[in-house]
Amino acid sequence: GEDVEQSLFLSVREGDSSVINCTYTDSSSTYLYWYKQEPGAGLQLLTYIFSNMDMKQDQRLTVLLNKKDKHLSLRIADTQTGDSAIYFCAEIDSGYSTLTFGKGTMLLVSP
Amino acid sequence: DTGVSQDPRHKITKRGQNVTFRCDPISEHNRLYWYRQTLGQGPEFLTYFQNEAQLEKSRLLSDRFSAERPKGSFSTLEIQRTEQGDSAMYLCASSLGHGTNPQETQYFGPGTRLLVL
Repeated sequence: GEDVEQSLFLSVREGDSSVINCTYTDSSSTYLYWYKQEPGAGLQLLTYIFSNMDMKQDQRLTVLLNKKDKHLSLRIADTQTGDSAIYFCAEIDSGYSTLTFGKGTMLLVSP
Repeated sequence: DTGVSQDPRHKITKRGQNVTFRCDPISEHNRLYWYRQTLGQGPEFLTYFQNEAQLEKSRLLSDRFSAERPKGSFSTLEIQRTEQGDSAMYLCASSLGHGTNPQETQYFGPGTRLLVL
C-alpha cells in the first residue's frame, strides 16, 4: 500500500527559509499536495504539484519533486511566526479519490 | 459559500453511546470524504461519496460506523456503541470531480473532535 513519510519536527528563526521533506512510495501518484494545519483546526490546502513537474513556485512557497527518488519538499521563504503549524504531505491514489497523508511535520518559528 | 462546515465542533460522550456528526460540503461539490485523525497522526481515509452513492469504504470503517449522504448534499457519520479508541478528530472534505479529472482538490472542514470517556 501507499506510504508517506515526513520528518516530525523543524525549528527555524523568523526570516530564515524552512524546508520540509517528504518521501512517498506509490509510483503511480499523479498529484502530490501540501496541507497546513493550525492547532485545533482543519487542513488548509497550501499547494500541489503534478507528477510530470519538478518544481512549482507560489509566492513564498516552492515545491520540488524528484520523481526518481520519490522525494518531495516544501520550501517556505522568509518564514514568519504565523507559519508555525503542522505541515502534511499527501498523495492521491490512481482513482483520484483517496488522499494518503504523512504524519505531519511540526514547524516552529521563533522570533 | 464559506467552505466546508461541520457540526458539532466538539463532542464528549460516554462509552457505549451513539453519536452522529454532520458535514455540509461546498455547495457545487459532488464528492464528499470522511477522514479520521488521531493525535500525532495524519488524517486517515474512511469513506467517500460521489453525489449520494458511497463509492469506497476503508477497512478502518468498522460495522459500528455508518455514513450517509441521502440527497447528495450534506452527509452524516454515525458511530454506534462508541469505544474509547474512537476518540479522534473526524474531518470532512469535499471536491468537484468526475473520476477522470486528476485535479480534484479536496477542501477540508474544521473537523469534529470526539472524546469518548
